[in-house]
Amino acid sequence: EAQVTQNPRYLITVTGKKLTVTCSQNMNHEYMSWYRQDPGLGLRQIYYSMNVEVTDKGDVPEGYKVSRKEKRNFPLILESPSPNQTSLYFCASSSPGTGKVEQFFGPGTRLTVL
Amino acid sequence: AQTVTQSQPEMSVQEAETVTLSCTYDTSENNYYLFWYKQPPSRQMILVIRQEAYKQQNATENRFSVNFQKAAKSFSLKISDSQLGDTAMYFCAFMPAFQGGSEKLVFGKGTKLTVNP
Repeated sequence: EAQVTQNPRYLITVTGKKLTVTCSQNMNHEYMSWYRQDPGLGLRQIYYSMNVEVTDKGDVPEGYKVSRKEKRNFPLILESPSPNQTSLYFCASSSPGTGKVEQFFGPGTRLTVL
Repeated sequence: AQTVTQSQPEMSVQEAETVTLSCTYDTSENNYYLFWYKQPPSRQMILVIRQEAYKQQNATENRFSVNFQKAAKSFSLKISDSQLGDTAMYFCAFMPAFQGGSEKLVFGKGTKLTVNP
């Protein structure tokens, strides 16, 4: 089954404790993105990657890092989480080269930073 | 910068009736895509319908259809024969056709739709 998976689905942590949210897709997509969703703000792009070893900032990159060492994986790293990073996070992937203009979203990760 | 505006934070409709969700956007681009995503209580983001700006014909997907007015920069979603399972948050989203590889979707703030029995 074609899908984007994220782990963990729920996470409660404390300020300053480094964490990683994993994202993996099995569709051989070149493009992957991270979004955060906050009430009243919709979804906003944090970082994106066009392919292996190619990443760039989205609209709200402060406090986050990413890496793309393998095509299928795109982890989101919070090196020193703060309460303002409490949010719902989505990973997405796409392959515009196929002519399909559609992003496939993971199930979301609910993060709470105390 | 592109912006997407959904002016209805919440709406409700009776089962089997028709409801229309509004969306306007602002862009200087000529080639772009518009989307409606559904987010049920499970939080999964589900693509409902997609419209290419270069196509004049409005997109339809079963009970879902759009009214795309390019000059007015308007992209409303009509849900016919509403069902209880349509209860969800609906997001309108915009994506330029060419944006240097970011594949960024610009989302509106969402409309919470409740279908009442």
